[in-house]
Amino acid sequence: DQQVKQNSPSLSVQEGRISILNCDYTNSMFDYFLWYKKYPAEGPTFLISISSIKDKNEDGRFTVFLNKSAKHLSLHIVPSQPGDSAVYFCAAAFGNEKLTFGTGTRLTIIP
Amino acid sequence: KAGVTQTPRYLIKTRGQQVTLSCSPISGHRSVSWYQQTPGQGLQFLFEYFSETQRNKGNFPGRFSGRQFSNSRSEMNVSTLELGDSALYLCASSLWLAGGEQFFGPGTRLTVL
Repeated sequence: DQQVKQNSPSLSVQEGRISILNCDYTNSMFDYFLWYKKYPAEGPTFLISISSIKDKNEDGRFTVFLNKSAKHLSLHIVPSQPGDSAVYFCAAAFGNEKLTFGTGTRLTIIP
Repeated sequence: KAGVTQTPRYLIKTRGQQVTLSCSPISGHRSVSWYQQTPGQGLQFLFEYFSETQRNKGNFPGRFSGRQFSNSRSEMNVSTLELGDSALYLCASSLWLAGGEQFFGPGTRLTVL
């Protein structure tokens, strides 16, 4: 049972435009959400997170939006840069329990 | 501060063998989690250790086991290897419990022939 889903395996975006990565979850108990970025041959690195008491969190070019009623979160990257090309994973947790990860979306930024 | 280190980085084994992977967390971090990454499956949670105790375990067979030492270093063991165990095994550490930001190592690429 995949509790965290990333339905788009891949996404291509022109450099300078906005990249929007989506994530859906089924467990309404999740109260903390994170996005990780992964380059080949490296471990995932933390990007940004959001608590369920908020609906938006911004950090530079990265903004995460949370829609609790739809059980949906999205990551916006603007403007997109070539170095943003990577696999992006969303993850969710409740309490201090383990993170549950999605299957990832491969983002390619086209110069 | 040094990051999470994992050894070895690459490993080739044959079916039926066993393997032990090692993870050294960031200094001061007490929680270590292990994940298996395969194409199309994302990161599948294996287990989490905190203060030498297993806190959580994912849906993996008993062939997968782990432990944590008093210095927070962790090992995971896979016995009777199967072809399907070929994957990238990632270790992550966090300061406290595993439900927040975790810091990942580079992973160990295991190939089972």
